[in-house]
Amino acid sequence: DAMVIQNPRYQVTQFGKPVTLSCSQTLNHNVMYWYQQKSSQAPKLLFHYYDKDFNNEADTPDNFQSRRPNTSFCFLDIRSPGLGDAAMYLCATSRGGYSRSGNQPQHFGDGTRLSIL
Amino acid sequence: RKEVEQDPGPFNVPEGATVAFNCTYSNSASQSFFWYRQDCRKEPKLLMSVYSSGNEDGRFTAQLNRASQYISLLIRDSKLSDSATYLCVVRRNSGNTPLVFGKGTRLSVIA
Repeated sequence: DAMVIQNPRYQVTQFGKPVTLSCSQTLNHNVMYWYQQKSSQAPKLLFHYYDKDFNNEADTPDNFQSRRPNTSFCFLDIRSPGLGDAAMYLCATSRGGYSRSGNQPQHFGDGTRLSIL
Repeated sequence: RKEVEQDPGPFNVPEGATVAFNCTYSNSASQSFFWYRQDCRKEPKLLMSVYSSGNEDGRFTAQLNRASQYISLLIRDSKLSDSATYLCVVRRNSGNTPLVFGKGTRLSVIA
């Protein structure tokens, strides 16, 4: 039973045409993450939400935005995709809370593979 | 220097072999450590957490050396199904800071 669900699995868009990737979760985790992974590279964190608090990584391009309308859903918006944005985009969740141990792992969705024409 | 560095690989080993992966991390404030496994074109999946005293899960043994900022994963009696990329993962600080992934080491187990 999938707990972190990403749609679609494969997304093709045109150069410069805005695209939105979606992620939903049934785990009721309060932290959600978006990663970009290119071939043979490590997943690179773009941003994460701790509850409603948005945390952007310093090197995430302005072209990438995110929305989290509620606990279950999180969206990645790419405003003007370039050829260099072709990658696998991974959504992950974890159970957060400063009173908890930091040993909480992250649960990943299957990813959305984005191609740019 | 990268925050998490791993053996470059790839490792090509015969079935039944023992193989070890090494990983170093640069942030001494790092608190939590994991090994994830990623199959080709799939998402990373948690293999095991790494505890200070070292821990074992079947054929897999993880070790942590905080003084040297070094983590290892040992796989005994390799199976064909162990073929994958193994990602060393570190949480920067305590609490809920995000995970930082190493580039991964590819393992191919050959019959």
